[in-house]
Amino acid sequence: NAGVTQTPKFQVLKTGQSMTLQCAQDMNHNSMYWYRQDPGMGLRLIYYSASEGTTDKGEVPNGYNVSRLNKREFSLRLESAAPSQTSVYFCASSAAGDEQYFGPGTRLTVT
Amino acid sequence: GENVEQHPSTLSVQEGDSAVIKCTYSDSASNYFPWYKQELGKRPQLIIDIRSNVGEKKDQRIAVTLNKTAKHFSLHITETQPEDSAVYFCAASKSSASKIIFGSGTRLSIRP
Repeated sequence: NAGVTQTPKFQVLKTGQSMTLQCAQDMNHNSMYWYRQDPGMGLRLIYYSASEGTTDKGEVPNGYNVSRLNKREFSLRLESAAPSQTSVYFCASSAAGDEQYFGPGTRLTVT
Repeated sequence: GENVEQHPSTLSVQEGDSAVIKCTYSDSASNYFPWYKQELGKRPQLIIDIRSNVGEKKDQRIAVTLNKTAKHFSLHITETQPEDSAVYFCAASKSSASKIIFGSGTRLSIRP
């Protein structure tokens, strides 16, 4: 089992560029999540998907969109990147009310 | 709204001493309380969890206690070692819901 995988591992964007972060899990989990973690800070929920076909906003959704492509995949899109979106992005998955498994993270820098 | 408060934000202890991190939650319907450890540059990983039908759980040097009445739970690490240095996050959720609320984290440093 690969667990939760994320691509890319690193990305540098210029202000105004767009990109999509990909996430996939092979644990048959219903729920998937996107978090951002700024240096020295905690985890802030951007969006989550409780099940295939549903998505909900988290604490900091502005500037992001998500797609739950199928049960395995949950992508995060930045339409017009801003320097304030420089962060480490973690995808996670879980069964409802159970342990969250995190991906290795994507380090995004917006210049 | 739902909230999890975590204290302290930083903690430094002598190697071999104990460390205690405390969290309080606001939603009385919460019934699952995991603790995650995040080493520098790595992803958060579960180290121990507790459900609301028990008051305490131990796994070698780590233990978690839960006081449902006070809506309070704590992580205890005994005989601390250098590899315990990390950021620790508490969290709370309901088994019926997928959303989990994280605390703000505690940076634990072990002094040699």
